[in-house]
Amino acid sequence: AQRVTQPEKLLSVFKGAPVELKCNYSYSGSPELFWYVQYSRQRLQLLLRHISRESIKGFTADLNKGETSFHLKKPFAQEEDSAMYYCALIYGNKLVFGAGTILRVKS
Amino acid sequence: GAVVSQHPSWVICKSGTSVKIECRSLDFQATTMFWYRQFPKQSLMLMATSNEGSKATYEQGVEKDKFLINHASLTLSTLTVTSAHPEDSSFYICSARRNWREGETQYFGPGTRLLVL
Repeated sequence: AQRVTQPEKLLSVFKGAPVELKCNYSYSGSPELFWYVQYSRQRLQLLLRHISRESIKGFTADLNKGETSFHLKKPFAQEEDSAMYYCALIYGNKLVFGAGTILRVKS
Repeated sequence: GAVVSQHPSWVICKSGTSVKIECRSLDFQATTMFWYRQFPKQSLMLMATSNEGSKATYEQGVEKDKFLINHASLTLSTLTVTSAHPEDSSFYICSARRNWREGETQYFGPGTRLLVL
């Protein structure tokens, strides 16, 4: 069963435009959700986790249990935000990743 | 911050040979390490969970005799691809779990690109 769904393979926006990367999950209990980012030729790194409710590099994500979503948002995209973004869920003590969304920020 | 290293960063080998990939947590102890495989432009697929001092737990469809995992210490796990074939060519990524103030966090290595000729 698909646990984490990222419906968009590619999201292309202009610099300064708002960004929303979608993530929906399937989990019966209280989910522990993350966003990871992978910049070109760099390792995967944690961007944020829902339990800490912090904002990193201007990105925020709110857990919506009613819609089972954990969308990643940023009000004004910057060129350096271009990367691959993965939504992930802890399931059975393992981290399960979505398919990922490539974000391209155009100047 | 926590650092996870992998060695080698890339390797080319002949079909039928075995390749060992090392994963180290440099500044923390990791009781659990994970091995992932990533195909181009695709997500990370968990291959196995490696626990220090015990046998690895493999995901469904992953051949344990093909992908040997050893977690000999709290800072080192190794993945050996035995009798490698071209279809084993991929990007292999390890991660190490660290207990953190607000829960557990996984840190990822830079990955190892394997090309089997």
